[in-house]
Amino acid sequence: GAVVSQHPSWVICKSGTSVKIECRSLDFQATTMFWYRQFPKQSLMLMATSNEGSKATYEQGVEKDKFLINHASLTLSTLTVTSAHPEDSSFYICSANGEESYNEQFFGPGTRLTVL
Amino acid sequence: GQNIDQPTEMTATEGAIVQINCTYQTSGFNGLFWYQQHAGEAPTFLSYNVLDGLEEKGRFSSFLSRSKGYSYLLLKELQMKDSASYLCAVVDSNYQLIWGAGTKLIIKP
Repeated sequence: GAVVSQHPSWVICKSGTSVKIECRSLDFQATTMFWYRQFPKQSLMLMATSNEGSKATYEQGVEKDKFLINHASLTLSTLTVTSAHPEDSSFYICSANGEESYNEQFFGPGTRLTVL
Repeated sequence: GQNIDQPTEMTATEGAIVQINCTYQTSGFNGLFWYQQHAGEAPTFLSYNVLDGLEEKGRFSSFLSRSKGYSYLLLKELQMKDSASYLCAVVDSNYQLIWGAGTKLIIKP
């Protein structure tokens, strides 16, 4: 099946630093990738939809200058949390559409970000 | 607005059967997914329904009634490893996934 990887699995950083999270589709080409954030005991919140070669589409309330998304190739999308603050601490998950027709999303394992 | 409702938490006994319900109100419908998510992990795919009826896959079955805006996930012969959150998600007319808040299932011995 389709495999999506994320790196790093977890990161701890100081407030004010920037953190880059990579999302890769390992055995298929992902035209569209999605970035989610999940706070403890809450459901997934879609942050943005990323299409290869074009600008990402951000959901309402998500600051595009703070969460920079780059989808430079059909197998790689990156999310950069700029000037991270403690309230950005969360579980960040990427997903990619599979190659089947019914829009199944395959999820990466997630990245746990803790900002001190 | 778009809305997905599912119970916040359910408890069941090992070896028993549990049904997790999901009702939805969305702009259009292009299918409904059920995902399983263990704590601290990403969701994993369980089932997809786009036509009315019951889809069975091993111990797990998923049912859909489009006219009622209703689905359920049925888990049989419960095992301790089935303790997880179960997420219902609907594909709307724009092919966007609308997520429910998830149902935390607790399995007791």
